[in-house]
Amino acid sequence: EVQLVESGGGLVQPGSSLKLSCVASGFTFSSSNMHWIRQVPKKGLEWIAFIYYDGAHNYQADSVKGRFTISRDNSKNTLNLEMNSLRSEDTAMYYCAKYGRVTSLYYTMDAWGQGTSVTVSS
Amino acid sequence: DIVMTQSPTSMSTSVGDRVTMNCKASQNVGSNVDWYQEKTGQSPKLLIYKASNRYTGVPDRFTGSGSGTDFTFTISNMQAEDLAMYYCMQSNSYPFTFGSGTRLEI
Repeated sequence: EVQLVESGGGLVQPGSSLKLSCVASGFTFSSSNMHWIRQVPKKGLEWIAFIYYDGAHNYQADSVKGRFTISRDNSKNTLNLEMNSLRSEDTAMYYCAKYGRVTSLYYTMDAWGQGTSVTVSS
Repeated sequence: DIVMTQSPTSMSTSVGDRVTMNCKASQNVGSNVDWYQEKTGQSPKLLIYKASNRYTGVPDRFTGSGSGTDFTFTISNMQAEDLAMYYCMQSNSYPFTFGSGTRLEI
C-alpha cells in the first residue's frame, strides 16, 4: 500500500525557516517523480513544487521561487521542502503527492499524504 | 499561468441525483485534466485522470469528459458518501493549476 507521511509543520514567526519532510513507502520512491501542494485554510489547492525521480530537475511556483527548495534523499525514501523567509500567506496545509504513471504516456498525482500544517504568525 | 474556472462553487444535492460540474481552462490543455475528491479532514483523492478515465477502484457513477478548454465531471447517482469538495486540475503545463472547487451539500 502506498503511504506518504509528512512531518515538520508547526507555528513559526514571519521571516523564519522550516523544513518539511515526506517519508514514502509501498512503492519504488527512487523511480517516482514527486510534488508538493498546499491548501490555505478553507481555500483551494495550490501546486508549489515538483522534482524528478533522480532530483536532477525541479520546478517551483512563482509564489515560492527563491524561498522554497524541493529536494529528495532516495536512500531514505524522503522528499523535503525547505522553506525560508516565511510569510503569513504561506500558512497552509502542505501535502506531498506521488506523480504516478497511470498509462504509458500519462502521469498524475495518484497518491497524497495526509498533510502537515504550517502556521506563520507573530 | 493557466486559469481553471470551476463552476458552480457549491451545489445542493439529494441522494440519487445526477450532479454535474464544469471546469473551463483559460487555454487549450488537451486532455490533461484530472479530478480529485476531498472529504472533510482527508487529503484529496484521484477520481478521474486524463479528462475521462476512471482511476482504479473508483465507482462507475463518476465520469469525466471534455478536451481543449471545457471539461465536465458527473456523478450519475449521488450517494451520501459523495458529499465532498471536488477539484479539477490541469497538468498540461507548469505551474499545474487547480479549479477553485465545487462543494456538494445536502
